[in-house]
Amino acid sequence: EVQLQESGPGLVKPSQSLSLTCSVTGYSITSNYWGWIRKFPGNKMEWMGYISYSGSTSYNPSLKSRISITRDTSKNQFFLQLNSVTTEDTATYYCARYPLLQWDYFDYWGQGVMVTVSS
Amino acid sequence: DTVLTQSPALAVSPGERVTISCRASESVSTLMHWYQQKPGQQPTLLIYLASNLESGVPARFSGSGSGTDFTLTIDPVEADDTATYYCQQSWNDPWTFGGGTKLELK
Repeated sequence: EVQLQESGPGLVKPSQSLSLTCSVTGYSITSNYWGWIRKFPGNKMEWMGYISYSGSTSYNPSLKSRISITRDTSKNQFFLQLNSVTTEDTATYYCARYPLLQWDYFDYWGQGVMVTVSS
Repeated sequence: DTVLTQSPALAVSPGERVTISCRASESVSTLMHWYQQKPGQQPTLLIYLASNLESGVPARFSGSGSGTDFTLTIDPVEADDTATYYCQQSWNDPWTFGGGTKLELK
């Protein structure tokens, strides 16, 4: 069974970098596309970006200067780094899988990790 | 960005039929998808590409629409369907989500 699990610090100071890990079990990240989505307080959801089976990436233009998605295929993990965070980056962050041969929607999601940006 | 507009909340009785709407600010063809999120849980995929039922999802759920107007229908509604429902489009970059419709049972 495919499982995704986010991990990382729950509290980040303003102007610092947010770094999260998505650990995948039951499926190889060298197949499919893999994405990050966040949900803000108040329920607004935002697609942040993805990394493909080959390692190529695509990002939401609203984040393009601050975001980086990378991976470690030996550990079957992929990562999110968001630089220069502000309180507006406070959200629950989810990693998710795109189905095979699709990059339109997400068929498996992690449980999510809540990140608060505060001094 | 493509704005997806959903009604904030609905309240229905078990056994009734409910339709949840999602209106796009521009055409998204049929690249619209629906998710259910229960409190404290991650979203789960219900419908993809406007009308395709995800494997394992009860046939009480169905989706329709194209262009700018889409509907998620639950018939009949059960108590376990209490959740927030989100639409998401993938026709226009960047992909965007609706604000969610909270479904409550009377």
